[in-house]
Amino acid sequence: EAGVTQFPSHSVIEKGQTVTLRCDPISGHDNLYWYRRVMGKEIKFLLHFVKESKQDESGMPNNRFLAERTGGTYSTLKVQPAELEDSGVYFCASSQRGDPEQFFGPGTRLTVL
Amino acid sequence: QKEVEQNSGPLSVPEGAIASLNCTYSDRGSQSFFWYRQYSGKSPELIMFIYSNGDKEDGRFTAQLNKASQYVSLLIRDSQPSDSATYLCAGGGAGNKLTFGGGTRVLVKP
Repeated sequence: EAGVTQFPSHSVIEKGQTVTLRCDPISGHDNLYWYRRVMGKEIKFLLHFVKESKQDESGMPNNRFLAERTGGTYSTLKVQPAELEDSGVYFCASSQRGDPEQFFGPGTRLTVL
Repeated sequence: QKEVEQNSGPLSVPEGAIASLNCTYSDRGSQSFFWYRQYSGKSPELIMFIYSNGDKEDGRFTAQLNKASQYVSLLIRDSQPSDSATYLCAGGGAGNKLTFGGGTRVLVKP
């Protein structure tokens, strides 16, 4: 069984540009989470989808971040326009309904110059 | 005050010894606690989770939870060099969203 995959693995962009991160959860997992780790800080929750619905987006930093999960399968996280403080590693995780175990993807390392 | 606190380490232990990791949390509403292991440059992977006060054992790992003291710990018995990693403590909230500590780096020396 394939794990959680994320694309791209690395992205280097300039301030003001747009970047879209993609996450493919494990097949059949209704829950999809986005987390972020900025340099020197702990991993922080961004938002939670149940299928295609946003269950909790309390961790989204501001309206420059937009997450979607059309069809309840893969998810995208768009940052527009990117700022320097958006640099970090963005993790996606998924879990089955009712199962506390979240499986993490390898992360996307975003660098904003 | 951070919601979940861990000593950043490094915690250096000789091979074969017991590694003891500690974590404190501030949100009394947290009902579940998770220990993740993360190798450098890799994704976090779940070691175990615990809901109830007391001990939970899984192989060489034992998690301990004390809700009155708001304290979670992880013991690694018979530590191996392959256990060298960063160990993340996390509290589970509504919808099972995780609140992570900063992690403790463990170094197991042969």
